[in-house]
Amino acid sequence: DIQMTQSPSTLSASVGDRVTFTCRASQSISTYLAWYQQKPGKAPELLIYKASTLQTGVPSRFSGSGSGTEFTLTISSLQPDDFATYYCQQYQSYEWAFGQGTKVEIK
Amino acid sequence: QVQLQQWGARLLKPSETLSLACGVHGGSLSGYYWSWIRQPPGEGLEWIGEINHRGSSNYKTSLKSRLTISQDMSHNQFFLNLSSVTAADTAVYYCARGFWSGVFDYWGQGALVTVSS
Repeated sequence: DIQMTQSPSTLSASVGDRVTFTCRASQSISTYLAWYQQKPGKAPELLIYKASTLQTGVPSRFSGSGSGTEFTLTISSLQPDDFATYYCQQYQSYEWAFGQGTKVEIK
Repeated sequence: QVQLQQWGARLLKPSETLSLACGVHGGSLSGYYWSWIRQPPGEGLEWIGEINHRGSSNYKTSLKSRLTISQDMSHNQFFLNLSSVTAADTAVYYCARGFWSGVFDYWGQGALVTVSS
């Protein structure tokens, strides 16, 4: 099974900051990677799929990159609504697997 | 606008069967992949299994012996049954639509299922 590892586990940042976090796969997944945002008590929301394709309606300050085993999610200018937990997820092969999440906190 | 609405028993005793349903409103089961994903309290997300519109299913290996995912196309609903539950199955359970297999664009509201004696 493919394992997904995210870093850091927690990130403290301020409104307006550019933030980047990383997701690594235990083997190559090409670009079969999605990113989700989850706020407390809510279901996750799809942000990006195919490593870099923005889901309809997602603000352009979010961007994704990478292929193979290393991927990044960047928020170009952090907004108050962006404080949440972010999960990556591979869908290259069953079983679909999520990373453990990166929590973005207010500095 | 597609909406997924979940229902089912929320408090179970060990060895009972967890049964949840997910109704799809504003869309059809046809052409999509339908998954169940769970999240233990304070933890991350775990994909459990998937059924597609043709009725083919894929399950997480560690749950396969206890897990059944089924669907009712005529009522736009799909179902999760997980037998012989233990405290380790306590989690918020989500249903979700995959517009590609494994990419989840719509999610249910989540249902906290607690297993306790």
